[in-house]
Amino acid sequence: DVKVTQSSRYLVKRTGEKVFLECVQDMDHENMFWYRQDPGLGLRLIYFSYDVKMKEKGDIPEGYSVSREKKERFSLILESASTNQTSMYLCASSITGDVGTDTQYFGPGTRLTVL
Amino acid sequence: SQQGEEDPQALSIQEGENATMNCSYKTSINNLQWYRQNSGRGLVHLILIRSNEREKHSGRLRVTLDTSKKSSSLLITASRAADTASYFCATGRYNTDKLIFGTGTRLQVFP
Repeated sequence: DVKVTQSSRYLVKRTGEKVFLECVQDMDHENMFWYRQDPGLGLRLIYFSYDVKMKEKGDIPEGYSVSREKKERFSLILESASTNQTSMYLCASSITGDVGTDTQYFGPGTRLTVL
Repeated sequence: SQQGEEDPQALSIQEGENATMNCSYKTSINNLQWYRQNSGRGLVHLILIRSNEREKHSGRLRVTLDTSKKSSSLLITASRAADTASYFCATGRYNTDKLIFGTGTRLQVFP
């Protein structure tokens, strides 16, 4: 079974702090994704990576950056946390499909609260 | 940008009843997927239907896809309390590894 783990289930930070969210997958997947989930808005893609050191902006990249130094690890960075970044953050991974998107496997999520 | 829109937003039924959720989308797709999310947890993949398929079954799940209407439905038969969760549709397109998720349907199954 694919396993995607996230470094924290719950996190509380203060405005202006630099925040690191870590995600690790153990199935050698090429693609990794960071989403945020807010009530009534569903999942919105922040960034994704299709290879080591490669990244592409999603729909809402402002205020975030990412790092992928190793294939199994994808980090989401909040350079200066703000209260509007309080949310549930979900990491996912997938293989590269032959003709397009394949199934994504999700981590348990990190609920971040910025005070 | 949201592609999938689920309907209804919330659904409450008794155990043993069937639950039907609908999803509409806007652009051409390669496949459509359904995911389940238990409260406060990550999403779990349920089923994938390709654009050239019309119906697919997996256990108590039945998914239909109508590409002419750009819509899909998920039917859960003989619902159980353990089916209580949020259900999301997600659309995949050709030549991209991204999925676009809808806003979800919250299903409550009462014992």
